[in-house]
Amino acid sequence: DSGVTQTPKHLITATGQRVTLRCSPRSGDLSVYWYQQSLDQGLQFLIQYYNGEERAKGNILERFSAQQFPDLHSELNLSSLELGDSALYFCASSRKGDLSYNEQFFGPGTRLTVL
Amino acid sequence: GESVGLHLPTLSVQEGDNSIINCAYSNSASDYFIWYKQESGKGPQFIIDIRSNMDKRQGQRVTVLLNKTVKHLSLQIAATQPGDSAVYFCAEVKRAHDMRFGAGTRLTVKP
Repeated sequence: DSGVTQTPKHLITATGQRVTLRCSPRSGDLSVYWYQQSLDQGLQFLIQYYNGEERAKGNILERFSAQQFPDLHSELNLSSLELGDSALYFCASSRKGDLSYNEQFFGPGTRLTVL
Repeated sequence: GESVGLHLPTLSVQEGDNSIINCAYSNSASDYFIWYKQESGKGPQFIIDIRSNMDKRQGQRVTVLLNKTVKHLSLQIAATQPGDSAVYFCAEVKRAHDMRFGAGTRLTVKP
């Protein structure tokens, strides 16, 4: 158990809908990262938040957005969902704000299925 | 374009043998590289990382080698155990916090 929690574990929805994925980092960790893992794209970094502010952006679509709240939990919002958004979404947390020598601890993931 | 990839998609080894998992990268403008392990149904787990100005780093039973001349990264696992069976990813981190992962290699350890 990494100490990072994600809810829900599974999510099934229809195209065009909007969903929110939730992540609680390990106690004391200030950074939260979101990743998408699909069969054809592998694991892709989406976005990072540090202490409530956006720190780094990866391959995140404009239809997706995230935020980190004062209690440091984070939410990833996916809107206008398409079939291709079906994937595993992982959250990770780390103590510091950069990506250098800063071990990331991954949650168990949320499996999103768009029908 | 820039990419991070793996030479072998699958690797099968005998328990107790050493394993070597390889990764090729095409862009040399990166700060460091990371190896992750992902077991079935779980999230990726950090194994070891190496800074771009190093050529070798050792951890517990694992060693990462970086050859910048040929843009090649490898993960060596000593005395491979059944619990090492998983998918292993390399990741490349650039200064702009651009993190890219390889496709993954599935390691299977035979008893």
